[in-house]
Amino acid sequence: DIQMTQSPSSLSASVGDRVTITCRASRSISTYLNWYQQKPGKAPNLLIYGASSLHSGVPSRFSGSGSGTHFTLTISSLQPEDFATYYCHQSYITPYTFGQGTKLEI
Amino acid sequence: QVQLVESGGGVVQPGRSLRLSCGASGFTFSNYGMHWVRQAPGKGLEWLAVIWYDGINKYYADSVKGRFTISRDNSKNTVYLQMNNLRASDTAIYYCARVDGEGANNWLDPWGQGTLVTVSS
Repeated sequence: DIQMTQSPSSLSASVGDRVTITCRASRSISTYLNWYQQKPGKAPNLLIYGASSLHSGVPSRFSGSGSGTHFTLTISSLQPEDFATYYCHQSYITPYTFGQGTKLEI
Repeated sequence: QVQLVESGGGVVQPGRSLRLSCGASGFTFSNYGMHWVRQAPGKGLEWLAVIWYDGINKYYADSVKGRFTISRDNSKNTVYLQMNNLRASDTAIYYCARVDGEGANNWLDPWGQGTLVTVSS
């Protein structure tokens, strides 16, 4: 199975900060990497698919990059509504797997 | 609008079975694969299973293979998760989600609101 490892597990930041979350795959997954945002008590929502494509309706301050085994999610200028938990997910091969999550806190 | 609604959760004793349902609306259900994902209390997301649009190809996480079965009824726009021999460690919110994209370039969107399963004596 492909293991997905996110870092950091938690991150303290302030409104207006630029933050980067990293996701590493245990073997190459090309660009078959997606990012989701989850707020407390809610279902996850898709942010980025195919490593770098912004899902419809997602603000442009979110961006994704990477290929192979190393991927990043960047939020260029944190807004209050961005404080949430973020997960990466590989769709390269089943069993599909998620990273353990990164909790973004004030 | 596209909507997924899970049902069937509840409290169940260890060793018993439960069947979850996920009803879909707002899109042509028979054209899309469907996933089940769970989240234990205070924990991260765990992918469980996927069934492709025709109901023939199904894949499972190792943690549930042999105990859980995913199926679908395209005439009812519903995907199911049959869970047998439940354990305390299966306690979680269970989400269904639609497969979007193509081939390996696929993602989960949208997600249902989830249904809580509690395994306890």
